[in-house]
Amino acid sequence: DAEITQSPRHKITETGRQVTLACHQTWNHNNMFWYRQDLGHGLRLIHYSYGVQDTNKGEVSDGYSVSRSNTEDLPLTLESAASSQTSVYFCASSLQGRDTGELFFGEGSRLTVL
Amino acid sequence: GQNIDQPTEMTATEGAIVQINCTYQTSGFNGLFWYQQHAGEAPTFLSYNVLDGLEEKGRFSSFLSRSKGYSYLLLKELQMKDSASYLCAALDSNYQLIWGAGTKLIIKP
Repeated sequence: DAEITQSPRHKITETGRQVTLACHQTWNHNNMFWYRQDLGHGLRLIHYSYGVQDTNKGEVSDGYSVSRSNTEDLPLTLESAASSQTSVYFCASSLQGRDTGELFFGEGSRLTVL
Repeated sequence: GQNIDQPTEMTATEGAIVQINCTYQTSGFNGLFWYQQHAGEAPTFLSYNVLDGLEEKGRFSSFLSRSKGYSYLLLKELQMKDSASYLCAALDSNYQLIWGAGTKLIIKP
């Protein structure tokens, strides 16, 4: 069965360290997204990609970067982790066009920055 | 600006019916989505409306009024497993999803 997986599921790191969260999907979807979810906020878009070599900034992109070298993977990198980046991170994918809003989510990665 | 409003929390009784409302203001509109999210889990897709009216899917129905910028999710014959957060999201003219903060639904026996 097709799926979308994230790793690690839990991560504790220190302020200033570089962290990479992996996301791998086997749906063969062109669209991939990274969100963060914090109490009291809706899902907030960090970065997204509509295909290989395409990346775009979302509403909360500062301090994060992504790269898309193939269809299956969209790793999220925190260049220098900050305590404000403690959150639950969700990767998601979707088809294009009308189906863009029907997202398939990974299980989430809980990141704690001390 | 773009905005989605939905109640923070609702409580209902097992076996009853509950309606979760959502109002949206977006730059253009390409559809309204509802997702369910159990605590500690990822959101999962429930429904999609792009035309006015009611879409029924088993115990869950979703309604849309484009002229009013309004949607609701109707859950019938509530079960304890329906205890979850329900997320409303609108697809804007750039095909970007604008998310509400979610409604936490508590089901009591």
